[in-house]
Order: sequence, then C-alpha cells, then structure tokens
Amino acid sequence: QQQVKQSPQSLIVQKGGISIINCAYENTAFDYFPWYQQFPGKGPALLIAIRPDVSEKKEGRFTISFNKSAKQFSLHIMDSQPGDSATYFCAASRGVQGAQKLVFGQGTRLTINP
Amino acid sequence: GAGVSQSPSNKVTEKGKDVELRCDPISGHTALYWYRQSLGQGLEFLIYFQGNSAPDKSGLPSDRFSAERTGGSVSTLTIQRTQQEDSAVYLCASIPQVWTQGEQFFGPGTRLTVL
Repeated sequence: QQQVKQSPQSLIVQKGGISIINCAYENTAFDYFPWYQQFPGKGPALLIAIRPDVSEKKEGRFTISFNKSAKQFSLHIMDSQPGDSATYFCAASRGVQGAQKLVFGQGTRLTINP
Repeated sequence: GAGVSQSPSNKVTEKGKDVELRCDPISGHTALYWYRQSLGQGLEFLIYFQGNSAPDKSGLPSDRFSAERTGGSVSTLTIQRTQQEDSAVYLCASIPQVWTQGEQFFGPGTRLTVL
C-alpha cells in the first residue's frame, strides 16, 4: 500500500520557470512532511519541511503548500535554475509514535533547461 | 563535522553470496535508519535502531536480511543468499534521538548489484 503518492515522475522546466511537484497522503496520523533533494550518487538531503498546523512555508525560492483537508502537499520552486536539476522526494512521518520513520513518495526527476 | 558514511560505495556480487553493508552515523546520533532505494522507486524503510536495539524490523523484506548495531555507533546490514531483486541502493540515515523530529542525515549509499 503506497501511503504517499507523488507526481509527476519527471518534469522538465525552462530556466526561470516555476516547478511544481505534488504529493498526496493517506494516513491522517502523519504530522511531519519534508521534501528531500537528491543529486546523482549522493544521499537525499532535506530541502524544506512543514507541519500540518500551517498551510504554507517558504524558504528562499522553495515553498511548500499544505492542504490538510485534501491530504495533499506540494513543492513549488520559483525561478528554477539548472542547479535545481535533481530528484525530489516528498515524505511523511508520524513523529515519535512512528519512530520518525519516513514514508517516501516515488520521486520526481526534475530537469531545468538553460 | 563528518557526516554519515557508508561502505563500500559499490558492491557487485553473484547470486547466492552473502554481503555486508556498513553505516557509520554522525557521532552522537543514537537513532539510525536503513532504507532501500530500488531503480525508479522511492525509498522504502527497512529497519531502525535506537542505541543498539532494533524496535522495528518491519521493513525487512525477508529473513535473508538482518542488521545489527554495536557500541551505539556503526551498523551493519547483512543480506544472505543474495537474489537479483536485492539489487538497489541501500541508504543509511541518522538523527540525534528517536524523539527528534526533523532532518534525517543520509549517507551516500551503497549501490548493490547482484548478478
């Protein structure tokens, strides 16, 4: 059972454009929603995260939008740059009760064309 | 400071052989996680440790998989009688304590290829 569904699988955006990646979750007990960025040959690294008590969080060019009623959250990358080309994973966890285990989406391969 | 390290970075083995994958977490991190990343798939949880104990082994795909952690530091993931479907990147992550909600720090992974 896939608890976190991510789309699209791949995305091509022109430099300067907006990249949008969407995720949907099933378990309402999730209380932490991070996005990880992974470059080839590297482990994932935390990009930005949100908790369900807020609807939006912005850090620089990266924004998470969170819709608790729809059980959906999305990553927006403004002014996308070639250096943003990577694979992005959304994830969710249940905090201490879930021992912080992360449930990941399937990943989105983002390519930013110069 | 040093991050999470894993060794080897690449491992090619023949079907039926046993392999050991090593993870060295960030110093002082008591919680350690193993995940598997199969080609084109997201990461799936395998097992986690709090100290040397493994309260949750629910993600281990079969009894051919086992893991241990000694001294509250280094962890070893062992796969016995490897199968081709075990080919994947095995990632390790650590956090300061299991009740610390926040970033999990990942190592670079071990790419396992079973021929």
